[in-house]
Amino acid sequence: ILNVEQSPQSLHVQEGDSTNFTCSFPSSNFYALHWYRWETAKSPEALFVMTLNGDEKKKGRISATLNTKEGYSYLYIKGSQPEDSATYLCAFMDYGQNFVFGPGTRLSVLP
Amino acid sequence: EAGVAQSPRYKIIEKRQSVAFWCNPISGHATLYWYQQILGQGPKLLIQFQNNGVVDDSQLPKDRFSAERLKGVDSTLKIQPAKLEDSAVYLCASSLRQLNTEAFFGQGTRLTVV
Repeated sequence: ILNVEQSPQSLHVQEGDSTNFTCSFPSSNFYALHWYRWETAKSPEALFVMTLNGDEKKKGRISATLNTKEGYSYLYIKGSQPEDSATYLCAFMDYGQNFVFGPGTRLSVLP
Repeated sequence: EAGVAQSPRYKIIEKRQSVAFWCNPISGHATLYWYQQILGQGPKLLIQFQNNGVVDDSQLPKDRFSAERLKGVDSTLKIQPAKLEDSAVYLCASSLRQLNTEAFFGQGTRLTVV
């Protein structure tokens, strides 16, 4: 069974702080790495789909980097806002079409 | 564009009863996923369909869980009989292609088995 880990498990930051969390995944047979944001009572929604080693993606105040050789991705949030409070999930996809989610990082942004 | 529709939103049943969940994916999406998300854990893939064929059901407890996707569109997931540990959120997702495209999720069905 493929192992996808995320850290920290949960995080509390003050409004305006910048923060980052980590997703670790198998470095072999890599195909793609997805990041999703899951707000309470809503559906998970995709933030990024990353495929290339060294790739960096940005959407507003949120950005992500990818290192497929060492098997990790970072998600950064600059100037956190209360509306950023959610669970952030990463999902690893390999050439065998396995699509495995990590346990998520629960972010709470305090006003 | 309409999103992924799931029903019901909530369901409470007694153990050993049966339950079924329904999912209508986004029109044109060939790939459909069912996930189980237990509190405090990430979503776990139960079954993946490509059109009406099963791609992966390795983590589906086949003694009690079944799923079908007739005509490659709507899908149903059934649990019979339910156990207490089946209490979870069941998420349906769809994507345009099997690889390299984001998945779009429904709002999920929260199942409580008492």
